[in-house]
Amino acid sequence: GEDVEQSLFLSVREGDSSVINCTYTDSSSTYLYWYKQEPGAGLQLLTYIFSNMDMKQDQRLTVLLNKKDKHLSLRIADTQTGDSAIYFCAESTEGSARQLTFGSGTQLTVLP
Amino acid sequence: GAGVSQTPSNKVTEKGKYVELRCDPISGHTALYWYRQSLGQGPEFLIYFQGTGAADDSGLPNDRFFAVRPEGSVSTLKIQRTERGDSAVYLCASSPSGRTDTQYFGPGTRLTVL
Repeated sequence: GEDVEQSLFLSVREGDSSVINCTYTDSSSTYLYWYKQEPGAGLQLLTYIFSNMDMKQDQRLTVLLNKKDKHLSLRIADTQTGDSAIYFCAESTEGSARQLTFGSGTQLTVLP
Repeated sequence: GAGVSQTPSNKVTEKGKYVELRCDPISGHTALYWYRQSLGQGPEFLIYFQGTGAADDSGLPNDRFFAVRPEGSVSTLKIQRTERGDSAVYLCASSPSGRTDTQYFGPGTRLTVL
């Protein structure tokens, strides 16, 4: 079955880089996503990567995909206090309704 | 334009009651999804609509849960005989076609069953 795992907590100092990791089990995953959730708010799409890519950069965000190890990471450069939130990794697979399978989320705390 | 909207934002009900949760997707989006997010967890898929039809309802936990989308736009998630375990945030998402397009989420409805 499908399973997506993330570490629960990460703390960094303002200005440092944050790296949030995710592992998944479904080798047929076609797209992998990172969503951000702030308290009381819905899920905000940050970025996504297609499974035939190994890296994608978008401003302060860098996504790395190791398909062999089924490992996905999100690097946030120059982390700011406004980046404090829960970050969810999610996958969708070919042939399905394209529903997303989410991890449990990583709570990122940015310390001043 | 407007994003996905959901009403109500909060719903408190008693065990055994019936509730309806509404989702208004982004205009023109043909695909609509319902997810449920329990405390401390990621969202879990419930049901997917393509147009008016429920193309995949494999995530609905039991027959107390039902959803409709009669005109291919607004959707209503209906829960009969609510139980305390139904307490969660119910999220709706829409996408332009539901194939390779990304999903845009609403703010959710927080359901509390007392």
